[in-house]
Amino acid sequence: DIQMTQSPASLSASLGETISIECRASEDIYSNLAWYQQKSGKSPQLLIYAANRLQDGVPSRFSGSGSGTQYSLKISGMQPEDEGDYFCLQGSKFPYTFGAGTKLELK
Amino acid sequence: QVNLQESGPGIVKPSQPLSVTCSVTGYSITTSYYYWNWIRKFSGNKLEWMGYISYDSSIYYNPSLKSRISITRDTSKNQFFLQLNTVTTEDTAVYYCARWPFYGAFDYWGQGVMVTVSS
Repeated sequence: DIQMTQSPASLSASLGETISIECRASEDIYSNLAWYQQKSGKSPQLLIYAANRLQDGVPSRFSGSGSGTQYSLKISGMQPEDEGDYFCLQGSKFPYTFGAGTKLELK
Repeated sequence: QVNLQESGPGIVKPSQPLSVTCSVTGYSITTSYYYWNWIRKFSGNKLEWMGYISYDSSIYYNPSLKSRISITRDTSKNQFFLQLNTVTTEDTAVYYCARWPFYGAFDYWGQGVMVTVSS
């Protein structure tokens, strides 16, 4: 199975701060990488797919980048509603696998 | 508006089968190039993809579950189903159903249903 190593495990950001979350795959996943936000008690929401494509309706302060084995999610200007858990997903090879998650809090 | 809703037993006894239903509204599960998946989330937030049934009824399971899992569907009710056999306490999790479109990411998820394995 492809292992997805996500960092950091937790992050505290100030209002307006720009933050990044990283995912590293154990092998090349050819940009088959998605990012999700999940708030407590809610279902995950797709933010980014194909490494850098913004899902419809997602604010433009969210962006994704990367290739090969290294990927990142950037939030340009932290907002209160951005608090939650974030995780990555690789869809390159079965079985699909997820990162362990990052808990993002507003400082 | 695509909507997925899981329903399940809440509590299952060890060694018994676990069955969860995903009811889909707003989109046909037979629409080409869409895949209908089961995913679970354990306490501690670890996520595991379990398997899918496709628009044309092909199936793929996570090899870690292959001997215990079955995914089926009822197209007349626009539902698909998860059965996990011989459960243990390690199968306690929130079970989600989710849609995977041809462009490659789970775009719609259900709210999830908590299933606890306990005697």
